Amino acid sequence: QVQLQESGPGLVKPSETLSLTCSVSGDSISSYYWSWIRQPPGKGLEWIGYIYYSGSTNYSPSLKSRVTISVDTSKNQFSLKLSSVTAADTAVYYCARVHGYFQHWGQGTLVTVSS
Amino acid sequence: DIVMTQSPDSLAASLGERATINCKSSQSVLYNSNNKNNLAWYQQKPGQPPKLLIYWASTRESGVPDRFSGSGSGTDFTLTISSLQAEDVAVYYCQQYYNTPWTFGQGTKVEI
Repeated sequence: QVQLQESGPGLVKPSETLSLTCSVSGDSISSYYWSWIRQPPGKGLEWIGYIYYSGSTNYSPSLKSRVTISVDTSKNQFSLKLSSVTAADTAVYYCARVHGYFQHWGQGTLVTVSS
Repeated sequence: DIVMTQSPDSLAASLGERATINCKSSQSVLYNSNNKNNLAWYQQKPGQPPKLLIYWASTRESGVPDRFSGSGSGTDFTLTISSLQAEDVAVYYCQQYYNTPWTFGQGTKVEI
């Protein structure tokens, strides 16, 4: 059974870069597509982008200028970087395995943007 | 972007009653090449990640109780809980994966 686990700082200062890693177990990352989704507190879900193990990516246009998703097949991990963060980027960030629909999700990690 | 609109925003029903959630997309999510609707449904309980219930608009994910069913095609879709149970209290989301950016409905809160 595939398991995903997000990790990274829970507090980021405004204008800095948010960095998260998703560790995948029970499945090879060299299959499927892998994605990041976020959810501001008390609000709905927003897709951020996806990556294939080959490194090809697709980002939401609303975040494209600030987002980078990368993959490390040797560690079975993929990562998210979101630059120039503001309070509006405060959210629970989820990683997920993708078939277009999101079949498996991590538990999520809350990232707060505050000085 | 394809806009997904759910109705109602919230509903309350009694145990054992039928609950119905609607989802409308701003354009068709039906792929003509395979005749499949690129529409999924998720259940999210407080403090938990969303859980996939239905994909391809009507295919139930493994392990999902058969009281959950999905229907619809094109732009109009429905999630039905045939007999509401206490553990079904949650927020439900629809999502289209026809086009990127993949987008979600605003959510429907289901209460007993």
